[in-house]
Amino acid sequence: EDQVTQSPEALRLQEGESSSLNCSYTVSGLRGLFWYRQDPGKGPEFLFTLYSAGEEKEKERLKATLTKKESFLHITAPKPEDSATYLCAVPPVGGTASKLTFGTGTRLQVTL
Amino acid sequence: EAQVTQNPRYLITVTGKKLTVTCSQNMNHEYMSWYRQDPGLGLRQIYYSMNVEVTDKGDVPEGYKVSRKEKRNFPLILESPSPNQTSLYFCASRKTGLGNQPQHFGDGTRLSIL
Repeated sequence: EDQVTQSPEALRLQEGESSSLNCSYTVSGLRGLFWYRQDPGKGPEFLFTLYSAGEEKEKERLKATLTKKESFLHITAPKPEDSATYLCAVPPVGGTASKLTFGTGTRLQVTL
Repeated sequence: EAQVTQNPRYLITVTGKKLTVTCSQNMNHEYMSWYRQDPGLGLRQIYYSMNVEVTDKGDVPEGYKVSRKEKRNFPLILESPSPNQTSLYFCASRKTGLGNQPQHFGDGTRLSIL
C-alpha cells in the first residue's frame, strides 16, 4: 500500500526565514506527486504537480522539487500569508483514478 | 467562477437521523469524490465517481452512500449517522478519471453527530 509521510508536523518561522518541508513516499514506481495548500476552514488548494525526478516548479515564494523517494517544498523569505497547512499526495498506479494517498500535512506558521 | 460547492457547511445532529450533504461542481468534470479529514489521519477517500451512474468505494465507505444521477451533483448520504462519523468532509472534482490531474476541493462540511 502506498504511504506518504510529511515532516515536520509543524513548523514555525519568522518572516524572511527560509526553510523546506519534506514529503517522502513509499510507492511502487514514481508516478508523480501533488502539493496542496490548506487554510483553516477551507478545502485544499492545488499548488503543483511534479511528474518526474529532477523536476522543479515555482510559484511566488514556493519551489517544489522531486526525487525518486521524496519531494521538498522550499519556502524562500516567507510572509505571514504563507501560513497554512501544506499537503502532499500521490496518485494511484496507472493513473486511472480511484484515489490519492495524502500525507497528514505540515502546519506552517510564519510570524512577524 | 469555477468552484465546488458543498452544503451545509456546518451541521450538528443526533445519532440515527438520516442526513445528506450536497456537492455540486460547475466545471463539467467527469470525476468526483468524497473525503473525510480527521486529525492525525489526513484525508481519506470515502467514495468516488468516474462519471454519471458510475460510483465505487474508497478507503472508508462503511456507513455512507452516494449517488451520481447528474454530472454536476454528487451527494453524500448518511442513512444512520453515528458519533464516529463526526468529521470534516470534503467533496472534490477533477476533469477526468486520470489520476495525474489535480483535484478541486470544496470548502468542507463539518459534521457533528451526538
